[in-house]
Amino acid sequence: QSALTQPASVSGSPGQSITISCTGTSSDGTDYSYVSWLQQHPGKAPKLIVYDTHKRPSGVSDRFSGSKSANTASLTISGLQAEDEADYYCSSYTSTSRVFGGGTKLTVL
Amino acid sequence: QVQLQESGPGLVKPSETLSLTCTVSGDSISGFYWNWIRQPPGKGLEWIGIHFFSGRTSYNPSLESRVTISEDWSKNQVSLKLTSMTPADTAVYYCARDRKGTSDYWGQGILVTVSS
Repeated sequence: QSALTQPASVSGSPGQSITISCTGTSSDGTDYSYVSWLQQHPGKAPKLIVYDTHKRPSGVSDRFSGSKSANTASLTISGLQAEDEADYYCSSYTSTSRVFGGGTKLTVL
Repeated sequence: QVQLQESGPGLVKPSETLSLTCTVSGDSISGFYWNWIRQPPGKGLEWIGIHFFSGRTSYNPSLESRVTISEDWSKNQVSLKLTSMTPADTAVYYCARDRKGTSDYWGQGILVTVSS
């Protein structure tokens, strides 16, 4: 059994920074070396905001940054804005499978 | 700009087979991997399976006995078949391009409801 575990919710005030964690566990010792992050607004498809753990696709704000330490990846959003309120999912892969975290709801107070 | 569009029935009866198509524009489907992913109402994302450009496929073990993903290069489409549908399969179904393990382009999704 493999899983990526995220907190169910986080919140922050405009202008603040928040961090969402994503911890990988695997019964077969799979190392989720590379993590991507997706942002999903209500009723919309997910949008890629970070890939290969820390890279940003073209057009994504540099307020979004990714990092990883041991088996935990993190997404940091700095200078929170109202438009950042959304669900965030981490994702990783092996040679034969893809896996998603359970998602984190970000509330901008 | 790569664009993906899912199509298929919005309503399926229990025990029936779901057939969805993902039409890709802006690039050829050959040379890329393609994922199907679903999201039950109010819940998180669930990976269904992947089609590699070698023709090989891999599926979520929880769905493997019921899933088939295939490609039609002539139409630039990727298809999903899911048999023996139940209400638990009600979800928004997405196709997504997979590049080095990352789903970088997504379709808008299609809501499939399983109900008699």
